[in-house]
Amino acid sequence: LAKTTQPISMDSYEGQEVNITCSHNNIATNDYITWYQQFPSQGPRFIIQGYKTKVTNEVASLFIPADRKSSTLSLPRVSLSDTAVYYCLVAGNTDKLIFGTGTRLQVFP
Amino acid sequence: DTEVTQTPKHLVMGMTNKKSLKCEQHMGHRAMYWYKQKAKKPPELMFVYSYEKLSINESVPSRFSPECPNSSLLNLHLHALQPEDSALYLCASSLLDGGMDTEAFFGQGTRLTVV
Repeated sequence: LAKTTQPISMDSYEGQEVNITCSHNNIATNDYITWYQQFPSQGPRFIIQGYKTKVTNEVASLFIPADRKSSTLSLPRVSLSDTAVYYCLVAGNTDKLIFGTGTRLQVFP
Repeated sequence: DTEVTQTPKHLVMGMTNKKSLKCEQHMGHRAMYWYKQKAKKPPELMFVYSYEKLSINESVPSRFSPECPNSSLLNLHLHALQPEDSALYLCASSLLDGGMDTEAFFGQGTRLTVV
């Protein structure tokens, strides 16, 4: 059973910042939070991973509050090519990588 | 090389056929995974190999038989499949089996159609 809850879908326009929130109320001490992006008929692609506070890389930022019961993936200035499904995964060192329902992001021109 | 290579990309097989899906990685990853994905659904975990040993079988029917001949290769043998087994089959690998440092790399998948 997936440990996460995300919105089913979101819409945005090019150039806007998109924030996708994931709820993981039962996160364990040793769990990490990882986000993946998937385009149709392709395998998921790692975006970002974090444990607490804020993580930033060249494509996204991940915000994790102190209680770690949720996380927010932030995509700055989205483009049409960011239209995809975004998955939030929570897993510890010996856990299985279980995908939740994901968030289908549609970016409009 | 940060690729997971899956072959074939597409496969059509009859219900009495035997076929195999192949997956290869050369990143030194010791965890390898098989997922099944139906249209507009999330990937569904099937099997996990850790250090070339089967560590997780998510109650997958025996018509799916995984094999890990060495640390770089993962096979999925298919026999007597049903039309409902038609899906995208994804292979993935990661450095460790689990959450920490678990940047899993996925292949492009094999689109399987059972007729």
